[in-house]
Amino acid sequence: GIQVEQSPPDLILQEGANSTLRCNFSDSVNNLQWFHQNPWGQLINLFYIPSGTKQNGRLSATTVATERYSLLYISSSQTTDSGVYFCAVASGGGADGLTFGKGTHLIIQP
Amino acid sequence: DGGITQSPKYLFRKEGQNVTLSCEQNLNHDAMYWYRQDPGQGLRLIYYSQIVNDFQKGDIAEGYSVSREKKESFPLTVTSAQKNPTAFYLCASSPDREWGGYTFGSGTRLTVV
Repeated sequence: GIQVEQSPPDLILQEGANSTLRCNFSDSVNNLQWFHQNPWGQLINLFYIPSGTKQNGRLSATTVATERYSLLYISSSQTTDSGVYFCAVASGGGADGLTFGKGTHLIIQP
Repeated sequence: DGGITQSPKYLFRKEGQNVTLSCEQNLNHDAMYWYRQDPGQGLRLIYYSQIVNDFQKGDIAEGYSVSREKKESFPLTVTSAQKNPTAFYLCASSPDREWGGYTFGSGTRLTVV
């Protein structure tokens, strides 16, 4: 099956800093999503982005499908951005499940 | 508001017991999923269902069972055959086969005592 690697595994930043999280995957995908898991365990869908670039406020994401990677950018970090960020992919449409990476644990210090 | 409701939030199981985790959605989504998360790890797929009365095994289905009698409901039973059931269990749904944008419930933390 598809392998998903995320980097870095851990990241500690000061409030206001910018960050880039990376997701590499081993095969072509038709579904790629970024999620944020807050300290209480809730997973929030940030982006559905199998290719191209999207932006939502301080967050943006870019997927270069031909090179098998995706990047999540967080600008002007806030303490509420802390948590674990997961990349998840599927070679099909995703109706038969997504394969998740192990996540990037982000801590934003005030 | 539409969403996914998982219950209970915390569950304690004795050795040898079966327990059932509830997952209900009012999003009118066709597909539903169960994932397991262990500390410091990503999510692993247990079972999924694309339509009522049909479901498929995921990567770690051994020791688990599911049913899909209604579109809105996808309960997961953790049986006594599951040797290491202590974990965080997450239920998700997606709207259709062509666009798998997932919505997750808030999870159930299961502990064996």
